[in-house]
Amino acid sequence: GNSVTQMEGPVTLSEEAFLTINCTYTATGYPSLFWYVQYPGEGLQLLLKATKADDKGSNKGFEATYRKETTSFHLEKGSVQVSDSAVYFCALSDLSNFGNEKLTFGTGTRLTIIP
Amino acid sequence: EAQVTQNPRYLITVTGKKLTVTCSQNMNHEYMSWYRQDPGLGLRQIYYSMNVEVTDKGDVPEGYKVSRKEKRNFPLILESPSPNQTSLYFCASRTGGRTDTQYFGPGTRLTVL
Repeated sequence: GNSVTQMEGPVTLSEEAFLTINCTYTATGYPSLFWYVQYPGEGLQLLLKATKADDKGSNKGFEATYRKETTSFHLEKGSVQVSDSAVYFCALSDLSNFGNEKLTFGTGTRLTIIP
Repeated sequence: EAQVTQNPRYLITVTGKKLTVTCSQNMNHEYMSWYRQDPGLGLRQIYYSMNVEVTDKGDVPEGYKVSRKEKRNFPLILESPSPNQTSLYFCASRTGGRTDTQYFGPGTRLTVL
C-alpha cells in the first residue's frame, strides 16, 4: 500500500535559518505529492504540490521537488520566520486509485522558530 | 468566501451517547471526506463520498457512519461513541479533478469520556 515517511520532530530553528524537512514515499501508482501546513488551532492548508516527476512546487518561500528516482519530496526554505512555526504534513494522492483519491499523510513535523 | 465549515468545534461527551458532527462546503465540490488526526499517526481517512448518495469506507471506518443527501453536506455520525474515538476530526472537499487541492475544515476536537 501507499505510505509517507517524514522527518521526526520537533524541529527548532533560529529565525533566518535554512529549513529542510525530509519526506519519502511509497506508492504503487502515480502519486501527486503535497505539503500541508497546520497553524495552531486551525485546519490544514495546502502549502504546495507537485503532480508529476521533476515538478517543483513553491509557495511563500517554500519549495519541494518531486524526485521519482529517490521517491522523495523534501520541503525547503532558505530563511525561516517566526510565523512559519506550525506542523507540516507531507501527503500523497494516488491517481491510480480510481474512485478515491484520498490523501495518505505522514505523521507531521512540528516546527518552532525562535526569534 | 470559499470554505469548509464544521460544527461543533469542540465536544465533550460520554460513552454511548450518539452524536453528529456536521460538515458543509460552499464550493459545489463533488468529493468530500472525513479524516481523524491522532498523535504520531498523522491523518487517516474514515469515510469518503464521490457525490450525492455515493459513500464508501476509508481506512478506519469502524464505529462511524456518514450520509450524503445533499452535495454541500457530509455529516459524520457516531452511533455509540467510545473513548478510542477521542480525536481531532477534519472534513475535506475538492472538485472532481483528481489532482485538485483538498480543502480542509477547521477541525472538531472530540473527547469521549
